[in-house]
Amino acid sequence: ETGVTQTPRHLVMGMTNKKSLKCEQHLGHNAMYWYKQSAKKPLELMFVYSLEERVENNSVPSRFSPECPNSSHLFLHLHTLQPEDSALYLCASSQDTSRNEQFFGPGTRLTVL
Amino acid sequence: GESVGLHLPTLSVQEGDNSIINCAYSNSASDYFIWYKQESGKGPQFIIDIRSNMDKRQGQRVTVLLNKTVKHLSLQIAATQPGDSAVYFCAENVKDSSYKLIFGSGTRLLVRP
Repeated sequence: ETGVTQTPRHLVMGMTNKKSLKCEQHLGHNAMYWYKQSAKKPLELMFVYSLEERVENNSVPSRFSPECPNSSHLFLHLHTLQPEDSALYLCASSQDTSRNEQFFGPGTRLTVL
Repeated sequence: GESVGLHLPTLSVQEGDNSIINCAYSNSASDYFIWYKQESGKGPQFIIDIRSNMDKRQGQRVTVLLNKTVKHLSLQIAATQPGDSAVYFCAENVKDSSYKLIFGSGTRLLVRP
């Protein structure tokens, strides 16, 4: 679609499970982002990585743990989530973190039981 | 605080008519704005952007207008088509510890045949 892929597309997990979301961008960008999209709420920025360094952590609970092993890959590790964490998790990338268009992946629809 | 909001949650238009989606932003220092379109089951897709040194920018069938005096942004879609049915988000680029996009809550556009 846009050069940003996410897996899995759908995930159902229990509150005691550990799972990971994966994002890969094929655009040669240096910045990557995680967003949370809930019903009736604007897109919420969670994390920003620039050149594999975390530059923004938007007061996200520690049960969400990001990892950026290289500029093309971004993970979101999930542990002991709550039902209110059920949402669409979107990954995006941009050339850098300045005034740039962000390209989004299709998202992972997460349901926490 | 920083916020971007949309005036109308749902807009219904007749196919072939023009659509206008509005957005208010609150940070007068924002210097870059983007409109995104999100179809069901997909991530947000870039439509058009505008920098604060411009007040109008045109794309294919879309026009973005920026009024910095009243901090208002609008997206005009000419000859609206069924494929335009989606949720539209405006976003402003703000500078904090790094640049980040703040998204509005979205407007759903419904195109009647």
